[in-house]
Amino acid sequence: NAGVTQTPKFQVLKTGQSMTLQCAQDMNHNSMYWYRQDPGMGLRLIYYSASEGTTDKGEVPNGYNVSRLNKREFSLRLESAAPSQTSVYFCASSWLAGEQFFGPGTRLTVL
Amino acid sequence: GQQVMQIPQYQHVQEGEDFTTYCNSSTTLSNIQWYKQRPGGHPVFLIQLVKSGEVKKQKRLTFQFGEAKKNSSLHITATQTTDVGTYFCAGAQKLVFGQGTRLTINP
Repeated sequence: NAGVTQTPKFQVLKTGQSMTLQCAQDMNHNSMYWYRQDPGMGLRLIYYSASEGTTDKGEVPNGYNVSRLNKREFSLRLESAAPSQTSVYFCASSWLAGEQFFGPGTRLTVL
Repeated sequence: GQQVMQIPQYQHVQEGEDFTTYCNSSTTLSNIQWYKQRPGGHPVFLIQLVKSGEVKKQKRLTFQFGEAKKNSSLHITATQTTDVGTYFCAGAQKLVFGQGTRLTINP
């Protein structure tokens, strides 16, 4: 039982490059989330998916897209990376609005 | 939109001292959750409070939810070095996180 897994753990991009962050959970949770965490700040919700087949914008969705591929997987795509997207990205999952289980995070640097 | 403010931003204590962090929301919350994040780690769930005026304890940690369901607090009695980390509150259904309180401890 791995919980929530994220790949990659680290990534360096050049401005304008694209990439997809992968997230998978094996707890049969219906809800999944993507957050970003900047130094000295809390977590800000980028997108979430309340159930398979649905996605909704969070607080900071601009510059990102998501795909809920199936119940287990929720990916985050940066189409054209910008330095302002340098951050730590966390994926999380939960049953409805309950306890959220977080992955280990992806540390992204955009040069 | 909903905002969740947390104070203080930083707190440094001597080991054995008590610690409290406060969380205030601009709107009434259906529930509030607390998380702890160790340096370099990911947030880990501590507790969820749902009822007005609710108080819950976990060993040395005491969590309170205000009567109006707009504020909450986490109190740690007699801190230990294992308590080091950042404590976040998060309110409502689409969790809105506070900025966190970073706790450091002098052994």
